[in-house]
Amino acid sequence: QKEVEQDPGPLSVPEGAIVSLNCTYSNSAFQYFMWYRQYSRKGPELLMYTYSSGNKEDGRFTAQVDKSSKYISLFIRDSQPSDSATYLCAMSATPLTGGGNKLTFGTGTQLKVEL
Amino acid sequence: NAGVTQTPKFQVLKTGQSMTLQCAQDMNHNSMYWYRQDPGMGLRLIYYSASEGTTDKGEVPNGYNVSRLNKREFSLRLESAAPSQTSVYFCASSIGRNTEAFFGQGTRLTVV
Repeated sequence: QKEVEQDPGPLSVPEGAIVSLNCTYSNSAFQYFMWYRQYSRKGPELLMYTYSSGNKEDGRFTAQVDKSSKYISLFIRDSQPSDSATYLCAMSATPLTGGGNKLTFGTGTQLKVEL
Repeated sequence: NAGVTQTPKFQVLKTGQSMTLQCAQDMNHNSMYWYRQDPGMGLRLIYYSASEGTTDKGEVPNGYNVSRLNKREFSLRLESAAPSQTSVYFCASSIGRNTEAFFGQGTRLTVV
């Protein structure tokens, strides 16, 4: 079983829809949670970064972390065709818990926002 | 704003050939990473350097070597390329351990 599970999609939604992207994880040591967006044939770019549990909002994007359920989500409001990309979740443990120095990535969810 | 720069962008190698992938960052980051990305596998860590002068193995280090040349540069070497190393390689950097990483644009490597 992978440490981080993410539905690969593809997920297709109409323009203006609210999109929900999710990851589950098994390592309770994870404390830092990130969402990356990757356009085709490009490198991943950081979208959201959160520490521990709770919500974080940035424009049309909201990241949620539920550590009790080991579940994180990214919501995109008023989705646009330019949001069409692959979304990768990533997470890591803190040094205090001996988690090491690396990010563990999900495999990514491909999103297509249609006109 | 260059950020993380990788060279080359594309490369085709024959089995058994060697090559070095170059990476440089201009953000004064301490930590640097090499990942490979394969369909259905996500991003997998090959090697990382937590700080200048240190390197450590990641999840899939076999067949690779790295050099942290200075704070800015972190290279990845394939000594004897194999078809299984056909992949997209990404270099990344971060301010410190377990903080957000910033990625380069990738190197598409094909080994025939």
